[in-house]
Amino acid sequence: KNEVEQSPQNLTAQEGEFITINCSYSVGISALHWLQQHPGGGIVSLFMLSSGKKKHGRLIATINIQEKHSSLHITASHPRDSAVYICAVYGGATNKLIFGTGTLLAVQP
Amino acid sequence: GAVVSQHPSWVICKSGTSVKIECRSLDFQATTMFWYRQFPKQSLMLMATSNEGSKATYEQGVEKDKFLINHASLTLSTLTVTSAHPEDSSFYICSANLVAPGMFLETQYFGPGTRLLVL
Repeated sequence: KNEVEQSPQNLTAQEGEFITINCSYSVGISALHWLQQHPGGGIVSLFMLSSGKKKHGRLIATINIQEKHSSLHITASHPRDSAVYICAVYGGATNKLIFGTGTLLAVQP
Repeated sequence: GAVVSQHPSWVICKSGTSVKIECRSLDFQATTMFWYRQFPKQSLMLMATSNEGSKATYEQGVEKDKFLINHASLTLSTLTVTSAHPEDSSFYICSANLVAPGMFLETQYFGPGTRLLVL
C-alpha cells in the first residue's frame, strides 16, 4: 500500500464544475504539498500546508492532520485547469517528499 | 517567486555517451537540491539528494557511478548520466529547497524538467 494515496486517479469534468481531489497518507508529516504538472512536464507548487486551509484564486486546499487527509478543490473549473495534480508529503524526520500517484484532470469545454 | 531552471530541456544522444543536466536556482541559494526521475504516467521517483559542498545521498537502487551528481555552488547542481543506454530515457526533474523569510518550513521549487532520449 502506498504511503500517499490519491483519489480519484482520473477525473473528467465539464467547464464550470466544482472539483475535489483527495489525498490520504499513512505517515507522520511536517507538511503537505499540492503540485500541478502540465502535459509539458513542468511542475508548479500550488500549496504547501501543515494545518487548516489555504486559498489562492479558484484553488482551495485543506488538511486534517488528525485524519491524515487533505483535499484540493477547484471552483469554476476551466479547460486550462487540465493537468495532473499530485499530493506530496514531507514524511517523518527527513526533508524528502513522498509522492502520491497523481490525479489526471481533464476539464472539457 | 523562486525560480529553478534546468538545461537542456531536451536532449537526444547515442547509446554509450554521457549527458550532463544542469539545475540552477536563479534568485536564491539552495544548500539542498533533489533529483527526480519520472517515467510516463508514473509519479516522480527521488534519485538523490544533492548537498552543496558534500557528496550526494543516493536512494536505494540508484547507481551513484551511473548518475553522477555535483553540487559545486549554492545555485548549481549537475546530474551526469554516464554511458547512457536506452533504458535511461526518461524525464529528469530537479528541485531546490527554500525557507522563506519568517517561515520555518521549507518549500520545494521544481525545475521544468529535462527529457532524455537515448537512441
